[in-house]
Amino acid sequence: SQTIHQWPATLVQPVGSPLSLECTVEGTSNPNLYWYRQAAGRGLQLLFYSVGIGQISSEVPQNLSASRPQDRQFILSSKKLLLSDSGFYLCAWSVSTLMGTYGNQPQHFGDGTRLSIL
Amino acid sequence: AQTVTQSQPEMSVQEAETVTLSCTYDTSESNYYLFWYKQPPSRQMILVIRQEAYKQQNATENRFSVNFQKAAKSFSLKISDSQLGDTAMYFCAFMKGRGNTGKLIFGQGTTLQVKP
Repeated sequence: SQTIHQWPATLVQPVGSPLSLECTVEGTSNPNLYWYRQAAGRGLQLLFYSVGIGQISSEVPQNLSASRPQDRQFILSSKKLLLSDSGFYLCAWSVSTLMGTYGNQPQHFGDGTRLSIL
Repeated sequence: AQTVTQSQPEMSVQEAETVTLSCTYDTSESNYYLFWYKQPPSRQMILVIRQEAYKQQNATENRFSVNFQKAAKSFSLKISDSQLGDTAMYFCAFMKGRGNTGKLIFGQGTTLQVKP
């Protein structure tokens, strides 16, 4: 069966410090991978998605970047954190199909990382 | 661009009763999918139910069912026989059909409290 691991679960960082959040998927190959951010009391906003190694698409301009060094590894990074980067970060994966339709392939979410910037 | 709106920030229901959560969306796409996700206090996102836009029949999963009104662009979730474990934040989400990379667009969420 497929599993998704995301760490750390919580993180407290000072303003201006770097960030690295990691997400890995097991039990599947060539998944689509996603990073979402959830601000307090709000919905999820898609930050990045990846359809393959080294292929990253950014949805919103921001202080963060993403990388996919291996097929099932997705990393969210920042060189200098801002106060506005605080939030709950969720990684997700879905099956990639040759037909290009994904509605029958739901996204599976990790447990999330709560990031607090001081 | 697609948007998803959940106009009820908070709702409550007595255990064993029925509650309906509202969701509207805006899109010019003809082929798409709609979802309801549940986020309990543990914060894990769990898929509750899924609806294909080309299907007229409303999706049902045990105590969960949807009322999909395509012309009105409405996608409400009905929870029957509410249980304490249904307490969670519920998100409505939209996904474009063929050719999409599987991106989900979420609504703002509705916090549901089931009271004993």
